[in-house]
Amino acid sequence: DAGITQSPRHKVTETGTPVTLRCHQTENHRYMYWYRQDPGHGLRLIHYSYGVKDTDKGEVSDGYSVSRSKTEDFLLTLESATSSQTSVYFCAISGGGEQETQYFGPGTRLLVL
Amino acid sequence: AQSVTQLGSHVSVSEGALVLLRCNYSSSVPPYLFWYVQYPNQGLQLLLKYTTGATLVKGINGFEAEFKKSETSFHLTKPSAHMSDAAEDFCAVSATGGGNKLTFGTGTQLKVEL
Repeated sequence: DAGITQSPRHKVTETGTPVTLRCHQTENHRYMYWYRQDPGHGLRLIHYSYGVKDTDKGEVSDGYSVSRSKTEDFLLTLESATSSQTSVYFCAISGGGEQETQYFGPGTRLLVL
Repeated sequence: AQSVTQLGSHVSVSEGALVLLRCNYSSSVPPYLFWYVQYPNQGLQLLLKYTTGATLVKGINGFEAEFKKSETSFHLTKPSAHMSDAAEDFCAVSATGGGNKLTFGTGTQLKVEL
């Protein structure tokens, strides 16, 4: 298994509070991604990073921000959580190139009350 | 822009029967196609992928898929289902110039019955 960890694995928070999810990799892969998974929608890309301090928006980026200050860490922040952000969040990594396999972390289950 | 359509959000088969999960894609450039599997409460793992070359690709656990450009399809098959195949399967597409981004289908829940 690719060395990807996500923390926390489960979180319950209240509407309006900030939340930060962490993805950590030990594979030294250049690309890192954040997805959310919701029933009936599959996985949708939130943000991704193609290097330290290099990030770009995905399909569903509103309400989310990201940061990558080190190769191994990619943070996802919900500045002010809303109930619509209740979801399962997955981090993925790849070496780069559209042919490359993305390797997924175990996920973080977030409930916003 | 690229997109993926998975026909059938739930598929049920008997153990030992053929598994067929359908995936059609849309891409303005030659696509790279992936099938991922997700077991309950886990992340996704790669079943197989098509990049270039042979259009019939074989993956883990006896699964295979055939890239058919004329039909814009990449259906996943397995000759004989096993109980351990019960999972959710996702088809995904990326393409040259797409920024190394995957677009996923909505998933198919595969149920295997005795």
